[in-house]
Amino acid sequence: QVQLQESGPGLVKPSETLSLTCTVSGGSISGYFWTWVRQPPGKGLEWIGYIYYNGNTDSNPSLKSRVTISLDTPKNQISLKLRSVTAADTAVYYCARLGLGIPFDPWGQGTLVTVSS
Amino acid sequence: EIVLTQSPGTLSLSPGERATLSCRASQSISISYLAWYQQKPGQAPRLVLYGASNRATGIADRFTSGGSGTDFALTINRLEPEDFAVYYCQQHDTSPWTFGQGTKVEIK
Repeated sequence: QVQLQESGPGLVKPSETLSLTCTVSGGSISGYFWTWVRQPPGKGLEWIGYIYYNGNTDSNPSLKSRVTISLDTPKNQISLKLRSVTAADTAVYYCARLGLGIPFDPWGQGTLVTVSS
Repeated sequence: EIVLTQSPGTLSLSPGERATLSCRASQSISISYLAWYQQKPGQAPRLVLYGASNRATGIADRFTSGGSGTDFALTINRLEPEDFAVYYCQQHDTSPWTFGQGTKVEIK
């Protein structure tokens, strides 16, 4: 059974870069889309972007200029970088898999990132 | 950007009752690219239904969905205690993929 686990710093200073890793276990990255979603405390879900296993990416225009999503296939990891963060980027960040005909499933447990000096 | 508007914001019901949640899209989308997620406090969202009423693994058959064009609905027959949660609709038809703002199903 495929499991996803997000990891990275829980605290990032304003104007710096948020860097997270999603590690996939129990399955391969190949053949799937891998996506990032975030949820500010007490609010709804926001799609950040995805990367396909062949390296193609897409991201939310609201974040596109600041987002980089990449793959490390040998390590079965997906990474997210969000530059020039502000307090508005404080959220729980989730990674999830998107398969052929099956949307976001499974999800990682999420990791809270707080932007504060 | 396709805006998904969910209603009502909160649904107060008793166990055993039926819940009907609405999701309206600002433009037509294919039901094949419409999904519903359940989220409980402190947990990650969980896929419930996708496409034309396809249930995700482990989801009970009291969950059904339907709709077309711009109007979609999730129905939960005979609410069980574990069904009380927030439900989000989501479209992955057109980029940027978007979520509705959520409907909270709470115990009356």
